[in-house]
Amino acid sequence: AQSVTQPDIHITVSEGASLELRCNYSYGATPYLFWYVQSPGQGLQLLLKYFSGDTLVQGIKGFEAEFKRSQSSFNLRKPSVHWSDAAEYFCAVGVIGNMLTFGGGTRLMVKP
Amino acid sequence: KAGVTQTPRYLIKTRGQQVTLSCSPISGHRSVSWYQQTPGQGLQFLFEYFSETQRNKGNFPGRFSGRQFSNSRSEMNVSTLELGDSALYLCASRTGAANTGELFFGEGSRLTVL
Repeated sequence: AQSVTQPDIHITVSEGASLELRCNYSYGATPYLFWYVQSPGQGLQLLLKYFSGDTLVQGIKGFEAEFKRSQSSFNLRKPSVHWSDAAEYFCAVGVIGNMLTFGGGTRLMVKP
Repeated sequence: KAGVTQTPRYLIKTRGQQVTLSCSPISGHRSVSWYQQTPGQGLQFLFEYFSETQRNKGNFPGRFSGRQFSNSRSEMNVSTLELGDSALYLCASRTGAANTGELFFGEGSRLTVL
């Protein structure tokens, strides 16, 4: 069965600083990979996804993620964080015909 | 196009009662999944319905059940509520055809069990 690990439960960055959120997955083949964001009291919004092809994927709100097969990682990055990026971020793994498995989430706080 | 709609958004129940939550997927989406989100356990998959049939099921007790109607709307039911059932219940839909896993989530139904 697939699993997802987000090692950082909380991260605090200053506004304007760069951001990297880590995600490691465990699965025998190449899965489909996703990053979702959840603002307080809201559902999850898809930031970006990786199915195949170019390992660097661009998403909404200026986010990008890089799939590294050798490291089983799919880290999320943003070059300059805005205060509105404060939220909880979830990495997820999916395989055809099955449900998504989510990581535990990373809560991002942004300092002014 | 309207998003995934969940009702009610908030509800309070007492132990032993039962609850029914409703989810209307995005128009054209035939797959509906349910997830339970708690601070301790994170996001856990409950079940998925596609064309009125349960296609996948997570590791939850039989008190948790669901169904899907011909218009793709789905309901989930929890019977004999326990305190630990307090959670945000999220519904998500996808087209279901290629089943590539991309989900569109509703805002959730927050259940509090007293």
